Amino acid sequence: NAGVTQTPKFQVLKTGQSMTLQCAQDMNHEYMSWYRQDPGMGLRLIHYSVGAGITDQGEVPNGYNVSRSTTEDFPLRLLSAAPSQTSVYFCASSSLRDRGEKLFFGSGTQLSVL
Amino acid sequence: RKEVEQDPGPFNVPEGATVAFNCTYSNSASQSFFWYRQDCRKEPKLLMSVYSSGNEDGRFTAQLNRASQYISLLIRDSKLSDSATYLCVVKPILSGNTGKLIFGQGTTLQVKP
Repeated sequence: NAGVTQTPKFQVLKTGQSMTLQCAQDMNHEYMSWYRQDPGMGLRLIHYSVGAGITDQGEVPNGYNVSRSTTEDFPLRLLSAAPSQTSVYFCASSSLRDRGEKLFFGSGTQLSVL
Repeated sequence: RKEVEQDPGPFNVPEGATVAFNCTYSNSASQSFFWYRQDCRKEPKLLMSVYSSGNEDGRFTAQLNRASQYISLLIRDSKLSDSATYLCVVKPILSGNTGKLIFGQGTTLQVKP
């Protein structure tokens, strides 16, 4: 059972480049979300989804897009990378059965934007 | 003011010590509370939920004080393997069952031999 799989683990981008962070879960969880973690800031919610075809913005959505075409996948797109998007990104999933309270995280993506 | 605030530490304690972390939250209508643990350069994992009556899991005890809006985590008989960052997490009442949680910045614990 793989749980939540995130790729890539590391990425370096130049300012203005675009890329997609991939996230997949095999636990049939309804909820999926993307967080970023910066020193001294804690994890901050970027976007979340409560099911296929449904997404919404979190606390820091600017510069990011998401889609949820299937239950399993929840990619995060950086439209035009900026140095302020240098961070560690975590994808997470949770179950309706757990009221969305027990998050299962992927192993994270360390992104540097030069 | 941050919605969830923690002392970032680090807390440096010897093996066998008892250590306590506190966390305050600003929204009195917050619904549920948790402690997550994050090892260095790893993903966070749920450590335990926090109930109004207090709850214990082995050497770990979590307490909630709704009147003062703080949550605590007590670790007894610290082990080297307890070294990690402990994240205080709050579920806002308006989040429903969406998986939206608010994370504190974390408190780092270093247990020394």
